Amino acid sequence: DIQMTQSSSYLSVSLGGRVTITCKASDHINNWLAWYQQKPGNAPRLLISGATSLETGVPSRFSGSGSGKDYTLSITSLQTEDVATYYCQQYWSTPYTFGGGTKLEIK
Amino acid sequence: DVKLVESGGGLVKPGGSLKLSCAASGFTFSSYPMSWVRQTPEKRLEWVATISSCGNYTYYPDSVKGRFTISRDNAKNTLYLQMSSLKSEDTAMYYCTRYGKGGFAYWGQGTLVTVSA
Repeated sequence: DIQMTQSSSYLSVSLGGRVTITCKASDHINNWLAWYQQKPGNAPRLLISGATSLETGVPSRFSGSGSGKDYTLSITSLQTEDVATYYCQQYWSTPYTFGGGTKLEIK
Repeated sequence: DVKLVESGGGLVKPGGSLKLSCAASGFTFSSYPMSWVRQTPEKRLEWVATISSCGNYTYYPDSVKGRFTISRDNAKNTLYLQMSSLKSEDTAMYYCTRYGKGGFAYWGQGTLVTVSA
């Protein structure tokens, strides 16, 4: 099984600031990586697929990068509505696996 | 708009069974693979099962293989998850999901399953 590791379980960032959330796979996943945003009481929302492709309706301040085993989600100009927990997920091979989540808060 | 509505969750004793349903609308249901994903009380996300568009292929992680069965009725636009031999670690919110061009693009609101004596 491919393990997904998000090194930070919690991040505190200033409004208007930039944040980078990292995700490391235990094996190469060939950019078959998705990022999700989850707000309390809601289902996860897909933000990015294919490591870099923004889903329709997702603000352009979100971006994804990476290759091989290492991937990042970046958010620029942090807004209050970005307070959420962010998860990465690989869909290169079954069992599909998720990272443990990074909870983002405003400093 | 794509809509996924789960039902069938509840409280069940260890070793018991439960069947979840997911009513789909807003897209051609028979054209898409479908999956169940669960979220534990600790907020960990776990993929539970996937079924091909025609229903002839199914996939499970080892943690539920042999206990859970995913199925679909394309005439009724409905996805199912039959769960048996339930354990306390199966306690979670269960989400019905549909793929987009990558990842789980659409999610229902979830149905809560609690396994407890």
